[in-house]
Amino acid sequence: EVQLVESGGGLVQPGRSLRLSCTASGFTFGDYAMSWVRQAPGKGLEWVGFIRSKAYGGTTEYAASVKGRFTISRDDSKSIAYLQMNSLKTEDTAVYYCTRDIYYGSGSAFDYWGQGTLVTVSS
Amino acid sequence: EIVLTQSPATLSLSPGERATLSCRASQSVSSYLAWYQQKPGQAPRLLIYDASNRATGIPARFSGSGSGTDFTLTISSLEPEDFAVYYCQQRSNWPPQITFGQGTRLEIK
Repeated sequence: EVQLVESGGGLVQPGRSLRLSCTASGFTFGDYAMSWVRQAPGKGLEWVGFIRSKAYGGTTEYAASVKGRFTISRDDSKSIAYLQMNSLKTEDTAVYYCTRDIYYGSGSAFDYWGQGTLVTVSS
Repeated sequence: EIVLTQSPATLSLSPGERATLSCRASQSVSSYLAWYQQKPGQAPRLLIYDASNRATGIPARFSGSGSGTDFTLTISSLEPEDFAVYYCQQRSNWPPQITFGQGTRLEIK
């Protein structure tokens, strides 16, 4: 059974940093790209970024709203994806979901999601 | 950036009725569109990918259609558990970006 479990959320002051983890099980983690998607309270879904599998270079892409502040990395030996969040702003307050990406043609979708972890940025 | 616009914002229907949800892209996304369902307090669930392919375990009452800029998610006969928020999503390759629509809330009439 595929499982994604996020951890590391909590209350943090503006300007500070936080690192989220996503621990995967039930599939060959290294074969898949992984994404982070967030949802502000009462709002819709917003893609944060993704990291490709090592077979595709392990490179990353980010939404404009977080580029330069957030960094996604992965440790395939531990089946963990990370989201390092620096210079946090109040508008980064959201539930952060880890997802497994599937590719079809030139498209992609998120076929498995974690339960989410809440990040609250407030003084 | 490709913008996805969903309509209506809210759809009020009764169990047993047919639901038709729309997603329009600001430029062509070919067939590279997915649909998700989200219930309160839960993570989203993938329903449809590549515009018309049902994900694993998704009931046959859910179907997707469309290509280019206009897409539709149809629920043929609503079950009580189908009342939720639905999102469409696309991925563009240059620049590499993923966007979601703003969502359609399907509520019980």
